[in-house]
Amino acid sequence: DSGVTQTPKHLITATGQRVTLRCSPRSGDLSVYWYQQSLDQGLQFLIQYYNGEERAKGNILERFSAQQFPDLHSELNLSSLELGDSALYFCASSVGARVGHNEQFFGPGTRLTVL
Amino acid sequence: AQKITQTQPGMFVQEKEAVTLDCTYDTSDQSYGLFWYKQPSSGEMIFLIYQGSYDEQNATEGRYSLNFQKARKSANLVISASQLGDSAMYFCAMRELISNTGNQFYFGTGTSLTVIP
Repeated sequence: DSGVTQTPKHLITATGQRVTLRCSPRSGDLSVYWYQQSLDQGLQFLIQYYNGEERAKGNILERFSAQQFPDLHSELNLSSLELGDSALYFCASSVGARVGHNEQFFGPGTRLTVL
Repeated sequence: AQKITQTQPGMFVQEKEAVTLDCTYDTSDQSYGLFWYKQPSSGEMIFLIYQGSYDEQNATEGRYSLNFQKARKSANLVISASQLGDSAMYFCAMRELISNTGNQFYFGTGTSLTVIP
């Protein structure tokens, strides 16, 4: 158990809908990272937050947004869902803003299925 | 160009033997980090080993070692004394710094390792 929690574990929804994925980092970690793992795109970095501020942006679509709250949990909002958004969404956390010798700790993931 | 290249989609190894999983990377940064993760069929991502670009010694973590050849931009993972539980997908990843404030991560397409009894 990495200490990173993600809810829900599974989510099934329809095209055009909006969903929110939630992540709680390990105790003491200030950085949260979101990743998408799909069959065709592989594992892609989406976005990083550190202590409530956006710090780095990867291949995140405009239909997706994220935020990190004062209690350090983070939410990833996916809207106008398409079939291609079906994927495993991982959250990870680390102590600092820059991952050096500290490894990232991954949560168990949320599997999103868009029908 | 791909930032991380893993050229072995699938590998087989006999139990108790050593195996090397290949990874090459592409970056113009001087400061970067290289990671290996294991993803079993259950789906979770498990951190295995880290190598910083300035680290002169190859990283080792138990049965895992990272063969870091900076000039060749390769960061191969060596698993010694393979166990049946090592059967999984293995991902190589690179961390680049962004504007000194955050990190950008790139992952390879993965290598599926099967350990044969």
